[in-house]
Amino acid sequence: EADIYQTPRYLVIGTGKKITLECSQTMGHDKMYWYQQDPGMELHLIHYSYGVNSTEKGDLSSESTVSRIRTEHFPLTLESARPSHTSQYLCANPPGGFSGRNSPLHFGNGTRLTVT
Amino acid sequence: QKEVEQDPGPLSVPEGAIVSLNCTYSNSAFQYFMWYRQYSRKGPELLMYTYSSGNKEDGRFTAQVDKSSKYISLFIRDSQPSDSATYLCAMNPGGSYIPTFGRGTSLIVHP
Repeated sequence: EADIYQTPRYLVIGTGKKITLECSQTMGHDKMYWYQQDPGMELHLIHYSYGVNSTEKGDLSSESTVSRIRTEHFPLTLESARPSHTSQYLCANPPGGFSGRNSPLHFGNGTRLTVT
Repeated sequence: QKEVEQDPGPLSVPEGAIVSLNCTYSNSAFQYFMWYRQYSRKGPELLMYTYSSGNKEDGRFTAQVDKSSKYISLFIRDSQPSDSATYLCAMNPGGSYIPTFGRGTSLIVHP
């Protein structure tokens, strides 16, 4: 199975701090995704990448940024955290055996962020 | 109107019941359909992945797609307390890398 590793699992941080959520994968997939999920609500795509040095914003307006310097890593950064950023952040990529269009996604276990 | 509609529930059933979870959609371009299961404080886990209309079975799970009605279902036979989770549907139009998700249905199977 294509594993996605997210750290930290839980983060409580004060307003105004800069934070980076880590996401790494072991299968060398080009495509990686970041979703935001509030309790009982849809998954919202905030960023995605089709390969090294390729990043795009998703459909949810987000104050976060991403980078894709290496295939394995796709970190998400909030320059100045606010209480409105409190949410669960999920990283994903296609599961093993999938790579093209119409692929399903395999998710990590997420980072639950609380901004006080 | 959202592209994918899913009743959030919760849906509460006794152990052993047959569960029916459903999603409707408005975009006729959707061709690939997925069901995910999400336990509390975990990421969604892919359960079923189907293309086109018809049924697909995997153990106690059956995914059904009716494109003419723009309606998909997930059936769980002999439900167990361990099936208690949120179930999300998702779908892709042909040629897309990005699925559209429903908001999920919370299922509670009580002993």
